[in-house]
Amino acid sequence: TQLLEQSPQFLSIQEGENLTVYCNSSSVFSSLQWYRQEPGEGPVLLVTVVTGGEVKKLKRLTFQFGDARKDSSLHITAAQPGDTGLYLCAGVLNTGGFKTIFGAGTRLFVKA
Amino acid sequence: DADVTQTPRNRITKTGKRIMLECSQTKGHDRMYWYRQDPGLGLRLIYYSFDVKDINKGEISDGYSVSRQAQAKFSLSLESAIPNQTALYFCATSDPGTDPFFGPGTRLTVL
Repeated sequence: TQLLEQSPQFLSIQEGENLTVYCNSSSVFSSLQWYRQEPGEGPVLLVTVVTGGEVKKLKRLTFQFGDARKDSSLHITAAQPGDTGLYLCAGVLNTGGFKTIFGAGTRLFVKA
Repeated sequence: DADVTQTPRNRITKTGKRIMLECSQTKGHDRMYWYRQDPGLGLRLIYYSFDVKDINKGEISDGYSVSRQAQAKFSLSLESAIPNQTALYFCATSDPGTDPFFGPGTRLTVL
């Protein structure tokens, strides 16, 4: 069974703090996606990383793909209440068919 | 208008009932997907379709069926609903080289 483990599952922090969310697997992915989901809505794609070691920045969010393309991290600098939500990672497998594995998600709550 | 529309948004039904969830999109994508989301499990793929004549099972297709009525429409059916099918259901669309786009979801409760 291919798994994508996210940690932590839940994170509650004060506004202005930094945080990192991790996504780990024993599988090698052709690409990895990060999504943000708010209550009552579907996931919204934030970024896709493709190359091992790749780093992408989206304002205060920094995404990194591991060198071996098995893991990824999302770092948020100076978190704001508007960052509150469920963050999901999804690994795309190059199996000849279509297969994307989602992590269970990290629920982030940023207190003002 | 929303790019991906799901109906109904909420549904409560009883064990054994037949349920259909509908999805329509205006993004012009050929590829459409149905996922379910359960707490602590993430999203899991039920069925996917790469064009109108193409239907493929995902990792959890048992107890579900789908119909791709047109490029823009992809419906999911539960022939005989059971309580462990209580979940959030999401439709998504994409095309090669485009970002996947998810609908707002349907919350289904099976009593």
